[in-house]
Amino acid sequence: DAKTTQPPSMDCAEGRAANLPCNHSTISGNEYVYWYRQIHSQGPQYIIHGLKNNETNEMASLIITEDRKSSTLILPHATLRDTAVYYCTEFSYTTDKLIFGTGTRLQVFP
Amino acid sequence: NAGVMQNPRHLVRRRGQEARLRCSPMKGHSHVYWYRQLPEEGLKFMVYLQKENIIDESGMPKERFSAEFPKEGPSILRIQQVVRGDSAAYFCASSPGTGGSTDTQYFGPGTRLTVL
Repeated sequence: DAKTTQPPSMDCAEGRAANLPCNHSTISGNEYVYWYRQIHSQGPQYIIHGLKNNETNEMASLIITEDRKSSTLILPHATLRDTAVYYCTEFSYTTDKLIFGTGTRLQVFP
Repeated sequence: NAGVMQNPRHLVRRRGQEARLRCSPMKGHSHVYWYRQLPEEGLKFMVYLQKENIIDESGMPKERFSAEFPKEGPSILRIQQVVRGDSAAYFCASSPGTGGSTDTQYFGPGTRLTVL
């Protein structure tokens, strides 16, 4: 069963920052937070991951709280093509499993 | 560098038939994972394989489902005697198997199985 919780849906205006929260209060010390998104029914697309430091790449930024119980994915300038279901997952290199929850459906509007 | 390849993209089977789903990992990747997604649900882990070895099959149904990743060729997810409840999207992911923070799973486009 999923160990992360996310809001079921969010809206964001095009050009604005989209901030997607995730709670992972039972995360273990060796578990990473991974974010994927799924556009329509395509295969999940990797976005970003982190352990305890904030991370940034060409797609997004990941802010992880100091206690690691929650994180926020930031899409700095959302576009219509960012409309998708965003999944926050925990991943352990011990088990090698990604455990997906039901995700957040982000709708970007013009 | 080609991504994870899956075929067929769509597969229609009648109840009782067999379904074979194929997955070719990204070049240089030695670990393969299969996930199933039922309509309007998230992905569920099924099985994790390395070349010629099943590492974790805790998410696989006990009957009718099997998976392999031979030394040569793609990974195969096989479903025998399909039932309507097997209708779903099946996604394959691969990772380099290096361990650590670079061992990210990348997903294929999926195979959509419809059982009539």
